[in-house]
Amino acid sequence: DSGVTQTPKHLITATGQRVTLRCSPRSGDLSVYWYQQSLDQGLQFLIQYYNGEERAKGNILERFSAQQFPDLHSELNLSSLELGDSALYFCASSVALRSRNYGYTFGSGTRLTVV
Amino acid sequence: AQTVTQSQPEMSVQEAETVTLSCTYDTSESDYYLFWYKQPPSRQMILVIRQEAYKQQNATENRFSVNFQKAAKSFSLKISDSQLGDAAMYFCAYEGTSGSRLTFGEGTQLTVNP
Repeated sequence: DSGVTQTPKHLITATGQRVTLRCSPRSGDLSVYWYQQSLDQGLQFLIQYYNGEERAKGNILERFSAQQFPDLHSELNLSSLELGDSALYFCASSVALRSRNYGYTFGSGTRLTVV
Repeated sequence: AQTVTQSQPEMSVQEAETVTLSCTYDTSESDYYLFWYKQPPSRQMILVIRQEAYKQQNATENRFSVNFQKAAKSFSLKISDSQLGDAAMYFCAYEGTSGSRLTFGEGTQLTVNP
């Protein structure tokens, strides 16, 4: 157990639907990152939150949104789902805003399948 | 934009032997970090080793070591005395000055043969 908890582990849904992925960071970590791992795009950074505020944005679609709550857990909302959104979605956490000095801890991911 | 390239989609090694995984990157920054992550079948992303660009000395973690060639923008991972548990997908990753995201390579699938 890495200390980063992602739920659910698996999710199967239909095209056009909306889902919410949840991440609880490791205790004491203020930064939360979301990554998407797909067969055709590889591992891509989506978005970072630090202590409740959005701090960096990557290749995140407009249909996707995220937020970090006061208890520091984060949710990634995916709407109007398409087949191409099927992927493994990772959450990672770190203690600081600039995390490279401290490292990241990854969760075990949520496998999303859109049918 | 920074890019990370892993030119070996698959590699295999005999148990107890040594294998080297290649990684090259492109950046105009001088201050950055490089990482190797391991992703076993469990899907968990596990940090293997980290290198700070301003450090000349190559990082080492037990059986894992890197060959960091800053001028050539090369960052290879050497696994010595390979074990069956080393079988996994290995990702090279870059983090630049902003410190707010990792850029990953395509990954190398490592098979360890008994």
